Amino acid sequence: EAGVTQFPSHSVIEKGQTVTLRCDPISGHDNLYWYRRVMGKEIKFLLHFVKESKQDESGMPNNRFLAERTGGTYSTLKVQPAELEDSGVYFCASSQDGRVYGYTFGSGTRLTVV
Amino acid sequence: LAKTTQPISMDSYEGQEVNITCSHNNIATNDYITWYQQFPSQGPRFIIQGYKTKVTNEVASLFIPADRKSSTLSLPRVSLSDTAVYYCLVGGLGTGGFKTIFGAGTRLFVKA
Repeated sequence: EAGVTQFPSHSVIEKGQTVTLRCDPISGHDNLYWYRRVMGKEIKFLLHFVKESKQDESGMPNNRFLAERTGGTYSTLKVQPAELEDSGVYFCASSQDGRVYGYTFGSGTRLTVV
Repeated sequence: LAKTTQPISMDSYEGQEVNITCSHNNIATNDYITWYQQFPSQGPRFIIQGYKTKVTNEVASLFIPADRKSSTLSLPRVSLSDTAVYYCLVGGLGTGGFKTIFGAGTRLFVKA
């Protein structure tokens, strides 16, 4: 079984540019989560999809962040325009029924905004 | 949401048993306790989950006292490859979303 896949693994962009991160969950997992860890801080929840619907997006930091999951398969997280404080590692996780023990995380995308 | 408190770091030697304790004084009735392991440049990996008493799987045991205000992850006979950060999470079980709170984690360093 393929795991959770994230693209790209690293991204370096200039302040003000746009970046789109992609997450391919495990096939059949309805629940998809985005998390991030900014430098020196703890891993923070961003949002949760159930299929294509946003179940909880209370962790999204501001309106420069837009997450989509069209068709309930892969998800994208767009940052536009990127700011320096957006630098960090963005993790995606998926699970079959929303239970904590079912989370499978991807390896993350390391975003550096310069 | 229950907040968790863990030691920042621990050292051990190969072959020893390691016990990492997590405090979660405000745990709710329907909350479960889950532990994750994370290696550098990787996402967190599920280790074990429990609600009360003791849970054991092929890699670890989880001890939860009756009041559930703490839990202890036990790693038997650790090896160098167990050097990682270990996170204790508390969250509700069920459908729908809930914010999974990651704490700072415990950095375990296993020495030869």
